[in-house]
Formats: sequence, structure tokens, C-alpha cells
Amino acid sequence: QVQLVESGGGVVQPGRSLRLSCVVSGFSFRSYGMHWVRQAPGKGLEWVAVIWFDGSKEQYVDSVKGRFTISRDDSKNTVFLEMNSLRAEDTAVYYCVRAHCSSRSCYMVDYWGQGTLVTVSS
Amino acid sequence: DIQMTQSPSSLSASVGDRVTISCRASQDISNYLAWFQQKPGKAPKSLIYAASSLQSGVPSKFSGSGSGTDFTLTISSLQPEDFATYYCQQYNSDPLTFGGGTKVEIK
Repeated sequence: QVQLVESGGGVVQPGRSLRLSCVVSGFSFRSYGMHWVRQAPGKGLEWVAVIWFDGSKEQYVDSVKGRFTISRDDSKNTVFLEMNSLRAEDTAVYYCVRAHCSSRSCYMVDYWGQGTLVTVSS
Repeated sequence: DIQMTQSPSSLSASVGDRVTISCRASQDISNYLAWFQQKPGKAPKSLIYAASSLQSGVPSKFSGSGSGTDFTLTISSLQPEDFATYYCQQYNSDPLTFGGGTKVEIK
């Protein structure tokens, strides 16, 4: 069955870095785009980033552009989110999410991981 | 950016009730609209894509409709396991954006 397992969350000081990982199984990773979506405590969902199935395109929400980088390693069935210059407002549960790709985009999501909590605090 | 507005933000309903949740986009998104269900402390679950298509394994009591700017999620007969928060999301264009959520509570 399809599984997505995030890791790498934790408590980090403002201005520091953290790298999240999401290992997937149960499907052909190379055929799917991957997203990161976050949820601040008690708040709604916020899309963060997407990487195309072949790694040819990445997109980010404005609030993380220049600070976060999404990448993938198809040999390890893993998608990453490198987060630099972290701020208190980045505190959230981060979910990795699988996406179907068409000729138009890799935007249609279906399976979600269980999430990993990132807390940015001094 | 496309703004997604859900209404109501919360509602109280009884088991067996028919429930309707609305989602409005700030501009035309065709049918690039998805719905998700989230229970407390759990990851969201995908329910509907392309405004009206059910994800695999989702029961037929859930249905979606609409196109352009106005969309609806309907639960035909509310069951105890359906009490949760529901989110809409547009995936017509970057950045992908979510509605603020509708919390469905027990009356």
C-alpha cells in the first residue's frame, strides 16, 4: 500500500536550518510529483512547495522562497525539504503529499504522510 | 494569488443529516478543486478531486459539485466518523491555496 513517512522535525532556534525527509513506498516514486504542505498549531493548511516527477520544476509559496529548497532522490524514494533561516512563523506540522502529474502540472494530490512537527523557538 | 473562501466556518449537525459546505474561488479555476477531511491530530485525507470525482476508497455519501468559482461538498447522511474539519483547495495555478476550513461538529 502507499506509504509516506516524514522525519527530521524537531526544535530549532530562529535563523538555523533543518532538513526534512519523506520516504515513500508502495508506488513508482519516479512517476509522481511531491509536495510539502504545512499546518501551524491550531491553524489551517498551507501549501509550501512542489517538485515535478522528473525534478525538472520546483515551485514555492512566497513566504519560503529563497529559504526553503525541495529536492528528491529517486534512488532512495525520498523527497527532502531543506529549510534555512528558520523563523518562528515556520513552526508547523509539515506533511509530504503525493501528486499526480499531467502534461499541465503536478498539482493534483492524493496520499498524505502523517507529518513531522517543526518548532522554531529560542 | 487565488483566494479560497469556505462557508460556514463551522456547523453543528446530527447523525443522519445532509450537510453542505461551500467553497468560493476569487477567480475562475475551472474544475481544479479538491476536498480534504481532517480529524483532530491526524493528517488530512483526500476525498474529492476535479471538483466532483471521488478518490479511491471514499464512500459515495460524499459528493462534490461546481465549476468556475463556486463549489459544494455534500455529505448525504452524516455519520459519527464524519465529524471533522473539511478543506477545499484550488490547484489551477501556483501558489496552490486552501480554504480556511469548515468544522463539522455534533449537535
